[in-house]
Amino acid sequence: EPEVTQTPSHQVTQMGQEVILRCVPISNHLYFYWYRQILGQKVEFLVSFYNNEISEKSEIFDDQFSVERPDGSNFTLKIRSTKLEDSAMYFCASNYRQGSTEAFFGQGTRLTVV
Amino acid sequence: GQQLNQSPQSMFIQEGEDVSMNCTSSSIFNTWLWYKQDPGEGPVLLIALYKAGELTSNGRLTAQFGITRKDSFLNISASIPSDVGIYFCAGHILTGGGNKLTFGTGTQLKVEL
Repeated sequence: EPEVTQTPSHQVTQMGQEVILRCVPISNHLYFYWYRQILGQKVEFLVSFYNNEISEKSEIFDDQFSVERPDGSNFTLKIRSTKLEDSAMYFCASNYRQGSTEAFFGQGTRLTVV
Repeated sequence: GQQLNQSPQSMFIQEGEDVSMNCTSSSIFNTWLWYKQDPGEGPVLLIALYKAGELTSNGRLTAQFGITRKDSFLNISASIPSDVGIYFCAGHILTGGGNKLTFGTGTQLKVEL
């Protein structure tokens, strides 16, 4: 069964460093998302991406964050200068078409900023 | 912003018991989803609800979308140990950009053998 894959599963970084989280969405999907989950809290929307541009972003997704689809398969989230409060699980999700609410989530990348 | 509140926050039940959990919203949603999250994993979709009043089953799971589109419940019948996890409701509003999901606060389910 097709699945969304994320790498790495765990990333430890020093405060102020740049990190790139990587995702390979399901191959025929057209819409891509990043969500964040701080430990013990709910899942929060960060950004949606379609047709090579951001279609919606939350207030969490500030200038320190960027997304990119550098080739036909990868979808990345970059945090330019990490802060302690960026420590969280980051989930990539994808789905096929607008109006289809059945988004499939990856297993997540646990980001720890020290 | 939109808020989805789930109750109870956690529940500890005996294997074989039926479980019921709720989700209420301050806003109307077009569709309502229930996800399960195991520790260290991503959310896995259990049930999707599209119409107000809709009642949908998926094996031992049953969910209903409230008539007002502001609430939903999820029932699990005859719980088993692998039902352990956190259950999230998520609401979706159609926007021009895609499928932004707003997640609830979660209900943690623990099953006692």
